[in-house]
Amino acid sequence: GDSVTQTEGPVTVSESESLIINCTYSATSIAYPNLFWYVRYPGEGLQLLLKVITAGQKGSSRGFEATYNKETTSFHLQKASVQESDSAVYYCALGDHMGYKLTFGTGTSLLVDP
Amino acid sequence: EAAVTQSPRNKVAVTGGKVTLSCNQTNNHNNMYWYRQDTGHGLRLIHYSYGAGSTEKGDIPDGYKASRPSQENFSLILELATPSQTSVYFCASGDEGGENYAEQFFGPGTRLTVL
Repeated sequence: GDSVTQTEGPVTVSESESLIINCTYSATSIAYPNLFWYVRYPGEGLQLLLKVITAGQKGSSRGFEATYNKETTSFHLQKASVQESDSAVYYCALGDHMGYKLTFGTGTSLLVDP
Repeated sequence: EAAVTQSPRNKVAVTGGKVTLSCNQTNNHNNMYWYRQDTGHGLRLIHYSYGAGSTEKGDIPDGYKASRPSQENFSLILELATPSQTSVYFCASGDEGGENYAEQFFGPGTRLTVL
């Protein structure tokens, strides 16, 4: 089946430092899956951070970036300078092209020290 | 504002009791989903629906039923709750096309504890 593996948390980073959360995927039933990063802030539901549906493309939002790399089956999340407000749980996910189902990684808890 | 809401937000149930979790969406999306999220696991799909009257089994449907009486509402039913069903449950809605192609929009979650 399909699966997503991401950096195991918790991850602690000081404010203004750079961040990378690794994500690799295995899509046995989907040739070119859609890839997503979702974020869950404390007390809230998941919300979409960014998505990329074409291999080789980069998505960006709120200073975060991720590039869809089909060769390495990776979709790492990066930010050059984190803020305390970025403290949250980040989920990498892959989906089919009909948008029916998402497969999630286990989530990476990020704590940014002020 | 379009949204996905869940009720209750917190629930304590007894083993063997019946639990119903409710979800309402104002996104006018065709598809709705129920997930559970446990430590060490990503969100796992329990049931989903393509529209009113339809329910489909997800990856972990055992012990759960679902009901989609209307476009807006999607319920998750635990007929005989067990402690292993203690978890945080998320509802989501989504559509196949349009601006938000393939995205899912999530509710705030329901924390269920089965004693």
